Amino acid sequence: AQTVTQSQPEMSVQEAETVTLSCTYDTSESNYYLFWYKQPPSRQMILVIRQEAYKQQNATENRFSVNFQKAAKSFSLKISDSQLGDTAMYFCAFMKHHTDKLIFGTGTRLQVFP
Amino acid sequence: SQTIHQWPATLVQPVGSPLSLECTVEGTSNPNLYWYRQAAGRGLQLLFYSVGIGQISSEVPQNLSASRPQDRQFILSSKKLLLSDSGFYLCAWSDVGGDTQYFGPGTRLTVL
Repeated sequence: AQTVTQSQPEMSVQEAETVTLSCTYDTSESNYYLFWYKQPPSRQMILVIRQEAYKQQNATENRFSVNFQKAAKSFSLKISDSQLGDTAMYFCAFMKHHTDKLIFGTGTRLQVFP
Repeated sequence: SQTIHQWPATLVQPVGSPLSLECTVEGTSNPNLYWYRQAAGRGLQLLFYSVGIGQISSEVPQNLSASRPQDRQFILSSKKLLLSDSGFYLCAWSDVGGDTQYFGPGTRLTVL
C-alpha cells in the first residue's frame, strides 16, 4: 500500500523568505501523480501544485516549486518570497495512475511571520 | 468555470440523529465525485467516490452512506450519528479520467 509521510508537523518562516516543506512517499508503482494542497484557516483545500511522475522536470507555479526526486521518493515544496497569506496547513498527496484515490500525508502547519 | 458547493457549512447534531450533507458541482458534466473526512489535526480520508449516477464505491466501512441522485449532486447520509462521526467533511470533484481533484468549502459536523 502507498503511504505519504510529512515529517515536519510545524514550520515557520519570515515574510519574504524562502521555506521548504518535506514529503516522502512509498510506492512500488512507476506511474503516479503527486500533489501539494494548501488548507488555510477557512479549511477549504486548495490545489497548489501537481507533478506527474513520468516528467523529470520539476513543476512550478509562480512562487511555488517542487523538488521531485523519483529514485529517493521525495517531493518537497519550496515557497519563495513567503507572504502572510501562505499561512496554512500544507498536505502532500499521492495518486496512482488510473485510480481516483488520493492518499494524503498528515500535513505541515506553516506560519509566516511579518 | 467549475464551482463546487457544500451545505450546510456547519452542523451540530445529537447522537442518534440522522444526517444529510449535500454537495453540488456546477460548470461540468459527468464528474467523478468524492467524499472525504478530516478528523481534527489529521489528513483526509476518502470515504466514498462515484463515477456516475447511482454508482457509489465505499472505501471505509462505517456508519455513513452516500448517494448520487443526479449527475452533479452527491449526498452523504447517516441514519443514526455516532460521536465518532464528528469531523470536517469535504466533497471533491474531478473530470472523468482526470487526475486532479478540486475541493469544496467543507462542512464542519459536531455530534454531541
